[in-house]
Amino acid sequence: ETGVTQTPRHLVMGMTNKKSLKCEQHLGHNAMYWYKQSAKKPLELMFVYNFKEQTENNSVPSRFSPECPNSSHLFLHLHTLQPEDSALYLCASSQDLEVIGGDTQYFGPGTRLTVL
Amino acid sequence: QKEVEQNSGPLSVPEGAIASLNCTYSDRGSQSFFWYRQYSGKSPELIMFIYSNGDKEDGRFTAQLNKASQYVSLLIRDSQPSDSATYLCAVNSGGYSSASKIIFGSGTRLSIRP
Repeated sequence: ETGVTQTPRHLVMGMTNKKSLKCEQHLGHNAMYWYKQSAKKPLELMFVYNFKEQTENNSVPSRFSPECPNSSHLFLHLHTLQPEDSALYLCASSQDLEVIGGDTQYFGPGTRLTVL
Repeated sequence: QKEVEQNSGPLSVPEGAIASLNCTYSDRGSQSFFWYRQYSGKSPELIMFIYSNGDKEDGRFTAQLNKASQYVSLLIRDSQPSDSATYLCAVNSGGYSSASKIIFGSGTRLSIRP
């Protein structure tokens, strides 16, 4: 599979569960991102990694824990989530942090998360 | 609070007509502007970007930017049913070119009726 892949595509979890979302990019990019997309709300940037180092954490609650073992893989570890965390979680990658021309972010298909 | 505003729609346009999608932004220092298309259940896909005032055309799509009035629009000519999707406006805020400074609007849902 090419581009940016995410697994699982759908996830249902209870508030006491621990689960992880996985993202893999096959584009040779250096920067990776986690976004949250809730219904009728703008995409919210959660975390940014550049060359596997975290460069931004946009005041995300600690129940979300990112991990970037290398430039191609990004994880989002989830524990003790709340029902309001139910959303589409999108991973994206870009060649670098700097956006030049149309070389911007490429998004994965997302993980639809439901917290019961 | 930097914002990007879009009418949520749905915007219903007959097939073959011109669809006009509008977006306003609050940060006067913004330099880069993007339009993404997102089909239901799919991820956003970049379809247009624009940096300079005026029009930029790519096939049936035209992006229009007016920095003085702080708006950017997307025109879709000869609308097709396959254009039915949510269109996200995104703005790179504060004069930065970093992807981490891109702010997204909530999107406008476009429906092309046969």
